[in-house]
Order: sequence, then C-alpha cells, then structure tokens
Amino acid sequence: DAGVIQSPRHEVTEMGQEVTLRCKPISGHDYLFWYRQTMMRGLELLIYFNNNVPIDDSGMPEDRFSAKMPNASFSTLKIQPSEPRDSAVYFCASSFKVWNYGYTFGSGTRLTVV
Amino acid sequence: GNSVTQMEGPVTLSEEAFLTINCTYTATGYPSLFWYVQYPGEGLQLLLKATKADDKGSNKGFEATYRKETTSFHLEKGSVQVSDSAVYFCALSDPTPNANSGGSNYKLTFGKGTLLTVNP
Repeated sequence: DAGVIQSPRHEVTEMGQEVTLRCKPISGHDYLFWYRQTMMRGLELLIYFNNNVPIDDSGMPEDRFSAKMPNASFSTLKIQPSEPRDSAVYFCASSFKVWNYGYTFGSGTRLTVV
Repeated sequence: GNSVTQMEGPVTLSEEAFLTINCTYTATGYPSLFWYVQYPGEGLQLLLKATKADDKGSNKGFEATYRKETTSFHLEKGSVQVSDSAVYFCALSDPTPNANSGGSNYKLTFGKGTLLTVNP
C-alpha cells in the first residue's frame, strides 16, 4: 500500500489566494482526519470524517476553511482567502478501527502564505 | 474531557544513554494508548501501542507499559542512538458518542510532543 498520499508537498501562495490541499487515504480506511501543525500551537485537529461524513469540524479555525470528502478515496481542505497566519504544515491521516490501530499519517503539505 | 500530559522537553542525551519520556493521561473510559514519532520533515509514525492494562508495547528498542493504576504510559529505551532524534507524541483513543448511529466515533487525543536530541 502506498500509504496516505497528500499533495502538493509544498505550496507557496500570496495572501488572498485560494489554496486547495488534497488527500488520498489508505483504501479500506473509514476515518479521515485533517491536522495542522505549527511551532506555536503544536498539532491541532481541524476536522474528521467517518464514512465520508464530517463528524466534528469544531477545530476549523474560521469560515475561510472548508473540507470535503466526496468519496472514500479523496478529500480536500480548502482555504479561501488565505492569510499569512495560515502558514503551517497540514497533515491528513486515515484509520480503520482507531481504537486499535491508531492513525496512518501522510507526509504533509507545507503551506506558506506570503 | 480526555487529555494527555507529557514532559515537554527538550530532552538532550548522549548516545547509548537511557531514555524515559513521561506520559500521563486522563480518560473517562478505557482508552487505547499510543506513542508516535515524528522525524524532521516527515509526518507522524506509529511507534508502539497498548490496548489494555498491563500491556507492553514495543518497537525498535522502545517500550511502554499501560499502567491503569497510575494512568501512565511512559516511553523508555535502554540505549538511544543519534537516529532516534525526533519529536515523540503520546496519544490516547478518544471515543465520542455518535448521536446519529448510537455508536461511537473515535479520534486520538495527542500530547504536545517531546523533542529528543541525541548527540554522538
């Protein structure tokens, strides 16, 4: 298995632009998680899905952030408009039976908003 | 709610030293416990886990024992190497009721991470 695949690995964009981050979970996993990691705030859960349905989006910082999971093999995290304070590494993770197996994380997307 | 507290570090050791990173948790139920490792520039990787009391998880020379009586899951390694330099995260599984299905949804609650640097 190729693991959790995220794209792009790096993204540099100008303030005000729309940014779309992509994630392909491991086949057969029924949970998908989006995290943000910064030096100041550490690892933050933004949103997670179970069977493509959003379960908890309380970590999404504001309306500029949105996430979708149109099918079991694809999810997007969109920021519109982007701001410099959104600069971070964004991780996607997927899981089957979280309580037993934990998560498998992707390699992350490093977002820089200038 | 559920929470994980781990020593924040940074921890700096010489090669072949003994490592302990403390982790304690608060949980309303009976969680599974995990240690994750993050090497520079990479995502988090599962290092080891334990799903019930007195279980010992082990991997790559690292060990941690699920201690229900002390609500702890301390990470240990007898002889660290330079290649062990990374950030280590303790985590617990965190079930939340699903009002729609009547079952539970699960996510991991992470500690803040401990930076370990091993010098040659």
